[in-house]
Amino acid sequence: ELKVEQNPLFLSMQEGKNYTIYCNYSTTSDRLYWYRQDPGKSLESLFVLLSNGAVKQEGRLMASLDTKARLSTLHITAAVHDLSATYFCAVDYSGGSQGNLIFGKGTKLSVKP
Amino acid sequence: EPEVTQTPSHQVTQMGQEVILRCVPISNHLYFYWYRQILGQKVEFLVSFYNNEISEKSEIFDDQFSVERPDGSNFTLKIRSTKLEDSAMYFCASTFREKSYGYTFGSGTRLTVV
Repeated sequence: ELKVEQNPLFLSMQEGKNYTIYCNYSTTSDRLYWYRQDPGKSLESLFVLLSNGAVKQEGRLMASLDTKARLSTLHITAAVHDLSATYFCAVDYSGGSQGNLIFGKGTKLSVKP
Repeated sequence: EPEVTQTPSHQVTQMGQEVILRCVPISNHLYFYWYRQILGQKVEFLVSFYNNEISEKSEIFDDQFSVERPDGSNFTLKIRSTKLEDSAMYFCASTFREKSYGYTFGSGTRLTVV
């Protein structure tokens, strides 16, 4: 059974600081997704990582994927308050006949002035 | 930008009642999904649907659940006899092709069973 673990689950940051969220998964997969969720809202797609060594950046967020280590990271640079949200990684379950996503528990990020 | 539309946004129902949650996927998408998120918890896969049939379902998707694409645009999730533990946010998602480059999620239906 595929397991996806994120850490930390809660992260309180000061504005301007850098931090990294980690996403480990337990079995082979070559597709990993990062989503942002604001309270009571839907899942907004941030990054789709399709291959080993993939790195994508959008604004203050950068995501990477190491399929050999079964690890993805979401790096936050110079955090601002607007980044406060819950961030989920999700792994495409290659064991299924068709992609379904197994989500981590999420990292609740709070950026304080 | 194309959206996945879900209705209603919030539904309150009595335990034992049937509910139907509705979704309109993006028009050229071929694969459809339902996920749920119990308050404060992670998002869980329920079912995937392609070519008018279920492709895969999770352990959560028991005989109380069913899905249908009745008219080529809507994609529905029916819960026959709701339980308190069915209270959750239900998200519909769609994608253009299998294991595609991304899944688009709808805004969700918050189901409250009382």
